[in-house]
Amino acid sequence: DARVTQTPRHKVTEMGQEVTMRCQPILGHNTVFWYRQTMMQGLELLAYFRNRAPLDDSGMPKDRFSAEMPDATLATLKIQPSEPRDSAVYFCASGLTSTGGKYFGPGTRLTVT
Amino acid sequence: QQQVKQSPQSLIVQKGGISIINCAYENTAFDYFPWYQQFPGKGPALLIAIRPDVSEKKEGRFTISFNKSAKQFSLHIMDSQPGDSATYFCAASSGSYGGSQGNLIFGKGTKLSVKP
Repeated sequence: DARVTQTPRHKVTEMGQEVTMRCQPILGHNTVFWYRQTMMQGLELLAYFRNRAPLDDSGMPKDRFSAEMPDATLATLKIQPSEPRDSAVYFCASGLTSTGGKYFGPGTRLTVT
Repeated sequence: QQQVKQSPQSLIVQKGGISIINCAYENTAFDYFPWYQQFPGKGPALLIAIRPDVSEKKEGRFTISFNKSAKQFSLHIMDSQPGDSATYFCAASSGSYGGSQGNLIFGKGTKLSVKP
């Protein structure tokens, strides 16, 4: 049963610390998305990769957020320095450009105190 | 124009009843309309999706109705069960026909409670 995996599942950190979230997309998928979910804003796109190339990161605060795909099996989202307003659930999703369906991981719940 | 408007925000249905959730969009370039189901503490799970060349798609108890001229689509859950209690999100994206390469724009979600 192929699925997207994310680590860590929960992260509590202090303001100013660096946070790195990791995602392993479904093997063979060529698109990877990072979404952030909050009660107020719902699901928002942060970054989007196709064939490991970044296509859209307009939803990401560039001064503190960065997203990369070092290889086809790993996507990372980094926040440095973290702020309390970054507290949210961060989801990674992967898909195939040929089908449209996007499959979400279980998320990383981030709390910044 | 990139928004997807979803209603209602919450819905209570009796077991065995029909749950109906509606979404509306503005961007005529959208060509892929999925619905996601999310349980507390879990990621959204793809439930069913439709493309604008058909007006209805049914999978088990779940049906999407699509009205291209009105730019609206809806999810119907027949014979609703307590296990269907979850938050449902509609979404839309655009890309080359036959595949959606684009970002999903999500509605705000509908919290469904099915009472036994």
